[in-house]
Amino acid sequence: AQSVTQLGSHVSVSEGALVLLRCNYSSSVPPYLFWYVQYPNQGLQLLLKYTTGATLVKGINGFEAEFKKSETSFHLTKPSAHMSDAAEYFCAVRVFGNEKLTFGTGTRLTIIP
Amino acid sequence: NAGVTQTPKFRILKIGQSMTLQCTQDMNHNYMYWYRQDPGMGLKLIYYSVGAGITDKGEVPNGYNVSRSTTEDFPLRLELAAPSQTSVYFCASSYSTGDGYTFGSGTRLTVV
Repeated sequence: AQSVTQLGSHVSVSEGALVLLRCNYSSSVPPYLFWYVQYPNQGLQLLLKYTTGATLVKGINGFEAEFKKSETSFHLTKPSAHMSDAAEYFCAVRVFGNEKLTFGTGTRLTIIP
Repeated sequence: NAGVTQTPKFRILKIGQSMTLQCTQDMNHNYMYWYRQDPGMGLKLIYYSVGAGITDKGEVPNGYNVSRSTTEDFPLRLELAAPSQTSVYFCASSYSTGDGYTFGSGTRLTVV
């Protein structure tokens, strides 16, 4: 079985500060990991994904995430927060051969001016 | 390049009415999904399909039905609408089990 846990349902950071959103996964086989962003009243948009290869993955809008197998983590970071980053972020896991992604419960990011 | 298209975007239903939420994708994706999203509850899988003619239940299938007669279309049918079905519904698709999903923009449904 596969699962993800997102630590912190709400995170607030000041504009210009580091953004760190935490995601831990559980999987008995090598996972594929994803981060999605959802802006208000919109659908989910893929930010970045890890499948195989380089463990540091760069995505859109300056976000990146690092796959750490030893820590079963896939935390999302951005060096400097912008007001436009305010949104809800979902971590998700999938393993090859499984038809479904498993989503975390989401983290709402608020940016303080 | 349309991606995943959902219609309608908004709908108000009365209790006991029925409706179909439409979903179509133009990416030749084999896998299609219906989710509902409620505040603070994340995404719950209603039904999914791994190809035309094949559908299967997700976590919360009660009160819904689906069909997949073509690769492109995956409509979700609500029979006898209830207030508990007030939610935002998302359709998604993927090419293979190694890919993420492409999502539609959602249908906001209110049952009164």
